[in-house]
Amino acid sequence: DVKVTQSSRYLVKRTGEKVFLECVQDMDHENMFWYRQDPGLGLRLIYFSYDVKMKEKGDIPEGYSVSREKKERFSLILESASTNQTSMYLCASSFRAGGETQYFGPGTRLLVL
Amino acid sequence: ILNVEQSPQSLHVQEGDSTNFTCSFPSSNFYALHWYRWETAKSPEALFVMTLNGDEKKKGRISATLNTKEGYSYLYIKGSQPEDSATYLCASITYNNNDMRFGAGTRLTVKP
Repeated sequence: DVKVTQSSRYLVKRTGEKVFLECVQDMDHENMFWYRQDPGLGLRLIYFSYDVKMKEKGDIPEGYSVSREKKERFSLILESASTNQTSMYLCASSFRAGGETQYFGPGTRLLVL
Repeated sequence: ILNVEQSPQSLHVQEGDSTNFTCSFPSSNFYALHWYRWETAKSPEALFVMTLNGDEKKKGRISATLNTKEGYSYLYIKGSQPEDSATYLCASITYNNNDMRFGAGTRLTVKP
């Protein structure tokens, strides 16, 4: 079974802090994704990566950056956390892009005070 | 941005009831439609991937249909059980976009 893990289930940070959210997958998937989920909205894509050191902006990349130094690990970075980044963050991976099933981590609920 | 809509937003049913909900998506350049089930405190899990107009998929008491010409998919649950309580997400992919566009989900609560 594919396993996608995220470093924290819950995080509380202060405005202006730098925040790292880590995601690891164990199935040698090429593609990895970061989403945020807010009430009443669908999962919105922040960034995705289709290979090591490659990244593409999603729909809402502002205020975020990503890092993919190893194939299994995809990090989401909030350079200076703001209260409007309080959200549920979900990481996902897939073998290939183009409509393949995505496998999700359990999510990190981030609260920025 | 592709607009994927799900209705209703939430649904409460009694154990044993059958229920269904809808996912609508733009039909132009359609490639695939995914259904996911997301239980509280767990990861979203894939239920179905559907690509062909008229497709019907089934997994136990859950089934889904797809109409790509008019841009909708129905998810049916027969004889709902409390363990079916979850948020059901659909996501659409088009030929000119590799990423999935998710709906906001339908939150189903099944009361014993």
